[in-house]
Amino acid sequence: RKEVEQDPGPFNVPEGATVAFNCTYSNSASQSFFWYRQDCRKEPKLLMSVYSSGNEDGRFTAQLNRASQYISLLIRDSKLSDSATYLCVVRGVVNTDKLIFGTGTRLQVFP
Amino acid sequence: EPEVTQTPSHQVTQMGQEVILRCVPISNHLYFYWYRQILGQKVEFLVSFYNNEISEKSEIFDDQFSVERPDGSNFTLKIRSTKLEDSAMYFCATTPLSSGAYNEQFFGPGTRLTVL
Repeated sequence: RKEVEQDPGPFNVPEGATVAFNCTYSNSASQSFFWYRQDCRKEPKLLMSVYSSGNEDGRFTAQLNRASQYISLLIRDSKLSDSATYLCVVRGVVNTDKLIFGTGTRLQVFP
Repeated sequence: EPEVTQTPSHQVTQMGQEVILRCVPISNHLYFYWYRQILGQKVEFLVSFYNNEISEKSEIFDDQFSVERPDGSNFTLKIRSTKLEDSAMYFCATTPLSSGAYNEQFFGPGTRLTVL
């Protein structure tokens, strides 16, 4: 089983749509969870951390289900500028800083 | 806003040659990382570095790779004898003084390494 698994997409959605991405991780002892955004041939940029209680940042909502080892990202009112690859990222077990990346889910928002 | 910078942006080299990739971390950051991304694949961890020592490395980071902080500002990744399969984007990342579970790792823009 892959350490972090995501549907690669692409998800093609019209402006204004709501879109949801899912991710599963294999190691139940994983410490912390993130969504990063990566534009084509650019560096990953942190979109938001994912906390156990779930969290929201503007149009973006992240949820974590530790029992199912499942993370989600919801984007409401999609903008053209949201077109990118969304990377599910897990930080490993205790005493490690390394980030483990999923392969990413590509989102294309069209007018 | 402070940024991680990397040089060069693109490096082309012949197989078997040595390359040095450079990173300038954000000034008060003390934890440093190298990741790589082969075209079309996921980002992979290579190594973490703190207090002038490697704190963790992956299986990819074999004897051909080394890291150092030669002058207190730059953080370098050296590949001694490049192979075709080393062709990838190499990202430096840094994080502030105290590395906590939710501390953001700030990524540099990357160096695209092409091995011919």
